[in-house]
Amino acid sequence: AQKVTQAQTEISVVEKEDVTLDCVYETRDTTYYLFWYKQPPSGELVFLIRRNSFDEQNEISGRYSWNFQKSTSSFNFTITASQVVDSAVYFCALSGGSGAGSYQLTFGKGTKLSVIP
Amino acid sequence: NAGVTQTPKFQVLKTGQSMTLQCAQDMNHNSMYWYRQDPGMGLRLIYYSASEGTTDKGEVPNGYNVSRLNKREFSLRLESAAPSQTSVYFCASTGRRGGLLNTEAFFGQGTRLTVV
Repeated sequence: AQKVTQAQTEISVVEKEDVTLDCVYETRDTTYYLFWYKQPPSGELVFLIRRNSFDEQNEISGRYSWNFQKSTSSFNFTITASQVVDSAVYFCALSGGSGAGSYQLTFGKGTKLSVIP
Repeated sequence: NAGVTQTPKFQVLKTGQSMTLQCAQDMNHNSMYWYRQDPGMGLRLIYYSASEGTTDKGEVPNGYNVSRLNKREFSLRLESAAPSQTSVYFCASTGRRGGLLNTEAFFGQGTRLTVV
């Protein structure tokens, strides 16, 4: 069975601080996909990034960066110089890449980030 | 492109009433999903359909039924609504791109359901 754990329920930071959101996953699949989504107060789910299990390169997109470590089954998300607009709930998700698990898209419980001006 | 369209956006039901949530995608995706979102619980998978003609239970299927009507449409039915089914419901779809099995999930806007 797949599992995604986001141990941080809520985080508060002051604007311009850096913040890291943790994500740990469990899967038996050798090929799998990891995702991060943002849910702002308006409620829609916004896709941020996808990472394939066979590609361990870290990625940076503007103020966002992602650290994928297969050895520790972690896919952490860092926001540099946080802004008030980053306030949202962030979800980490996992999809299998083969067999029946390939169609199970499993989400963590989310981390609520509040950026204080 | 509309992407994933869910209807209705809001609904209030009385206990015991039935209703169907509709979902349609226009991206030619194979797989579709229904999730519910409750405070502090994240998104929990109710049912999914890996491809047209197949459906499978997710984490929390009790009290729900689904129909994959065709490749575009995947509906969720509450036969006898209960207050515990008060939640926000999201439909999503995934497809294949560039030889990889799953794209990211594309989500509908959500349905806020209240059962009184």
